[in-house]
Amino acid sequence: EAGVAQSPRYKIIEKRQSVAFWCNPISGHATLYWYQQILGQGPKLLIQFQNNGVVDDSQLPKDRFSAERLKGVDSTLKIQPAKLEDSAVYLCASSPGTVWYEQYFGPGTRLTVT
Amino acid sequence: AQKVTQAQTEISVVEKEDVTLDCVYETRDTTYYLFWYKQPPSGELVFLIRRNSFDEQNEISGRYSWNFQKSTSSFNFTITASQVVDSAVYFCALAGGGSNYKLTFGKGTLLTVNP
Repeated sequence: EAGVAQSPRYKIIEKRQSVAFWCNPISGHATLYWYQQILGQGPKLLIQFQNNGVVDDSQLPKDRFSAERLKGVDSTLKIQPAKLEDSAVYLCASSPGTVWYEQYFGPGTRLTVT
Repeated sequence: AQKVTQAQTEISVVEKEDVTLDCVYETRDTTYYLFWYKQPPSGELVFLIRRNSFDEQNEISGRYSWNFQKSTSSFNFTITASQVVDSAVYFCALAGGGSNYKLTFGKGTLLTVNP
């Protein structure tokens, strides 16, 4: 079974530029999560989708971050404009709809904002 | 509010030593789940174990064991006879019913096992 796929793996941008990350969850997984992991800290949930609806986006900085999950499968996370403090690893995870605690994580995208 | 504290930022041991990673949590929920994840240099978080708040039985899986004590709000993780491949960052996490089972992670403990 293929795992959670993310791209790109690495991205370097200048502040005020925009960037987008892509996630393809495990086939059949209804729930998708985006986490932000700043160096030296644990992951922090940014947004959770159930199929293509948002369940929780309380920690998403909505003035600059946006996310969508088209057709309840793939998802993109966008930052516009980026700030220095957005430098982090962005992790995508997915879980079967009825088994929320079995979250499978992708390899992450490491973003560096200069 | 939920909180997870991993007081050990870094631990370094020599291969074959036993090592215990500490985790202390805070929650007002009566129903909650505790987790341990491993994050190797490749970056993916690998699930190790999940316990619910009603099950205080300790668990052993090969060289890994977990000690859950509600009285001290702790969920410690022990690796017996450590190996170089155990080198990674280990995260403890909590998900409580009052927070819609949103995972709250500790800051992680970097374990380095030297040959």
